[in-house]
Amino acid sequence: RKEVEQDPGPFNVPEGATVAFNCTYSNSASQSFFWYRQDCRKEPKLLMSVYSSGNEDGRFTAQLNRASQYISLLIRDSKLSDSATYLCVVRPSGTYKYIFGTGTRLKVLA
Amino acid sequence: EPEVTQTPSHQVTQMGQEVILRCVPISNHLYFYWYRQILGQKVEFLVSFYNNEISEKSEIFDDQFSVERPDGSNFTLKIRSTKLEDSAMYFCAEVGRGLNTEAFFGQGTRLTVV
Repeated sequence: RKEVEQDPGPFNVPEGATVAFNCTYSNSASQSFFWYRQDCRKEPKLLMSVYSSGNEDGRFTAQLNRASQYISLLIRDSKLSDSATYLCVVRPSGTYKYIFGTGTRLKVLA
Repeated sequence: EPEVTQTPSHQVTQMGQEVILRCVPISNHLYFYWYRQILGQKVEFLVSFYNNEISEKSEIFDDQFSVERPDGSNFTLKIRSTKLEDSAMYFCAEVGRGLNTEAFFGQGTRLTVV
């Protein structure tokens, strides 16, 4: 099983739609969780950290389910500018490294 | 948002040549990383560096690779004898105090080996 697994997409959605991405991780001792956004040929940029109780930042909501070892990202009212690849990132406890999923591509269409 | 600066932004090198990629860290950050991303593939961990020592490395990070902070400021990745398959984006990343914080990435160096 891959350490961090995501559906690569692409997800093609119309402007204004709600879209959800899931990510599963294999190491149950994982400690920190993040969603990053990556535009084509650019560096990953933090979108939001994911907390155990779930958290929201504007149109973005992240959830963590430790029992099932998955993380989700919900984007409401999609904008054209949300088109990007969304990267799920996990840091297991006992290690310094941040492990990336393959990313999920989102295309928001006018 | 703090900025991590990498140089050069793009480097073309001949197979077998040595390259050095540089990263200028944010002053109060403690943990440094190098990642690479082959075109169309995922971001892969290479190495982490803390207190002037490698703390962890992946199987990709073989004897061809080395890292250092030569002057206590810049953080470098050296590839001794480049291969065609080393062509990728190389990202430097840093984390501040407390490992539950996020990693900040530099804008990357695109390495092309010909």
